[in-house]
Amino acid sequence: NAGVMQNPRHLVRRRGQEARLRCSPMKGHSHVYWYRQLPEEGLKFMVYLQKENIIDESGMPKERFSAEFPKEGPSILRIQQVVRGDSAAYFCASSPFGQEFEVNEQYFGPGTRLTVT
Amino acid sequence: GQNIDQPTEMTATEGAIVQINCTYQTSGFNGLFWYQQHAGEAPTFLSYNVLDGLEEKGRFSSFLSRSKGYSYLLLKELQMKDSASYLCVVMDSNYQLIWGAGTKLIIKP
Repeated sequence: NAGVMQNPRHLVRRRGQEARLRCSPMKGHSHVYWYRQLPEEGLKFMVYLQKENIIDESGMPKERFSAEFPKEGPSILRIQQVVRGDSAAYFCASSPFGQEFEVNEQYFGPGTRLTVT
Repeated sequence: GQNIDQPTEMTATEGAIVQINCTYQTSGFNGLFWYQQHAGEAPTFLSYNVLDGLEEKGRFSSFLSRSKGYSYLLLKELQMKDSASYLCVVMDSNYQLIWGAGTKLIIKP
């Protein structure tokens, strides 16, 4: 049973370009979470999605960032017109149940390290 | 506001015991998690506490006191591979996970 897959593992973009990060949850998991981690800092929640629905996007910046989890295919985190401050590790996690269930253990992907030059 | 406090860094000796403390102030409480994160890797789940008391799992134990807003992670018989960051995470009343900044644990021979 493959774990959470993320690609690419490393992404370099110049300022103003678009970054597109992909996440395939574990088999049987329909809940996906995106987190951002700046160097030497903890994870910051960005968005929680189920298939075709955004459940909670309270951690997403209001501009340039968007996320989707289509019926078919991976979840996508899209960052438009990237700036240097977007350089970070972006982790995706999946779980079989929603957050309202106890012991909502989230399984994390290896992360995508975005570098904006 | 919501806040989770844990030491930034700790050092311990191989074979010894170390206790990593975490205090929290959050909007409600639906459980506390500990995650381990090796440098450059994804976090991995260690433990979950929702009731007061001690949960033991092999060399690792986690304790919770809800009235004090306090938890600790206890690591016994330390091994070099335990060198990592340990993240304290609280689920608030809206079922959102609030992540601490992590405690970097350095193990010396």
